[in-house]
Amino acid sequence: QKEVEQDPGPLSVPEGAIVSLNCTYSNSAFQYFMWYRQYSRKGPELLMYTYSSGNKEDGRFTAQVDKSSKYISLFIRDSQPSDSATYLCAGAGAGSYQLTFGKGTKLSVIP
Amino acid sequence: EPEVTQTPSHQVTQMGQEVILRCVPISNHLYFYWYRQILGQKVEFLVSFYNNEISEKSEIFDDQFSVERPDGSNFTLKIRSTKLEDSAMYFCASSSQGGEQFFGPGTRLTVL
Repeated sequence: QKEVEQDPGPLSVPEGAIVSLNCTYSNSAFQYFMWYRQYSRKGPELLMYTYSSGNKEDGRFTAQVDKSSKYISLFIRDSQPSDSATYLCAGAGAGSYQLTFGKGTKLSVIP
Repeated sequence: EPEVTQTPSHQVTQMGQEVILRCVPISNHLYFYWYRQILGQKVEFLVSFYNNEISEKSEIFDDQFSVERPDGSNFTLKIRSTKLEDSAMYFCASSSQGGEQFFGPGTRLTVL
């Protein structure tokens, strides 16, 4: 049961580019959405947390949730080589703290 | 900045042996979780724990697994009789109100 889908990439962009990372999900009960960054053989690092539909901005990162189309996005402005990592999206339903993850998109930012 | 810590970073064990993976969640957090990630696959939920009891568990979390908060700081995952397919990265996470979950660095479990 593929509840959260992500294009695995790899995605390569030049330094300074705007990066768009996307996920689709199938579970209508999802209310909470998160983006994590994971470096190789490390733990997921929380980047963005959003509730229901809408946008949230934090520095160079913007998260968007469109519940009507079950589509979530992460935009990275002025990408840096240090942004090179795998980006994981995750969702959870109201009253449940069980995160369901996508497989991740591997991003490389080339200097 | 407070963070989740996990020990050991790498555990090698023989099939059939018991292992205990240890975690120290962020100090004022109340919700605790274990996830695992088999190499090249998704991060998968195992169990959530609140108020000294399991609140949710996945199908993966069968009778071979157990969790415990033996004192005010540690949170442990025990696998009673390890199988080859238990080889994975195991991540502990914690949250203050069940929302944003903060992950530890993981324990790499290798079952031979």
